Amino acid sequence: DQQVKQNSPSLSVQEGRISILNCDYTNSMFDYFLWYKKYPAEGPTFLISISSIKDKNEDGRFTVFLNKSAKHLSLHIVPSQPGDSAVYFCAARKMASGGGADGLTFGKGTHLIIQP
Amino acid sequence: DTEVTQTPKHLVMGMTNKKSLKCEQHMGHRAMYWYKQKAKKPPELMFVYSYEKLSINESVPSRFSPECPNSSLLNLHLHALQPEDSALYLCASSQAGQGLRRQYFGPGTRLLVL
Repeated sequence: DQQVKQNSPSLSVQEGRISILNCDYTNSMFDYFLWYKKYPAEGPTFLISISSIKDKNEDGRFTVFLNKSAKHLSLHIVPSQPGDSAVYFCAARKMASGGGADGLTFGKGTHLIIQP
Repeated sequence: DTEVTQTPKHLVMGMTNKKSLKCEQHMGHRAMYWYKQKAKKPPELMFVYSYEKLSINESVPSRFSPECPNSSLLNLHLHALQPEDSALYLCASSQAGQGLRRQYFGPGTRLLVL
């Protein structure tokens, strides 16, 4: 059963417009949510994160919104640029027990295509 | 230096072979991870090492054997793999401890099992 879901396999947006990528989750134990960007033949690159106690985090052109009651988060990119074309993964982390490291649970990804 | 390196980039092996994947980071991170990513699927966590000790094994078959010889290196030893083990194997590292620790990923090793 997928605990992190990205229901749009792809999204096409015109350059300069806003890109909105969505993510839903089912596990209430997740305490942090992260967005990663991945180009072909490269590993995922961290973009932005949000704690489960916040509802918004902004970093330059990227803003992540969290609606905890709906178990939904979204990544807004504005304005969209051609270099933003990539696969975007939503990921979540469960609360760490005993101070150790915990891995991430990823969604299937959304392929964002920015059209000139 | 915020780089995680992985070798080899590509690997083809037979089902009777023994091979190893290597991962290295020099960021002083004390948590290291192996993920497996099959085509059109998300990365899936396999193992987590924290302070050079295995802390999480996500029920991975014993034909995959991780090793963390020191705080900079992480290996994944492969033996008697199956064709369905063909995938992209991603290594990541992060600081250890409480709070969100951003994971830095390597480019991956693309493995093909014949």
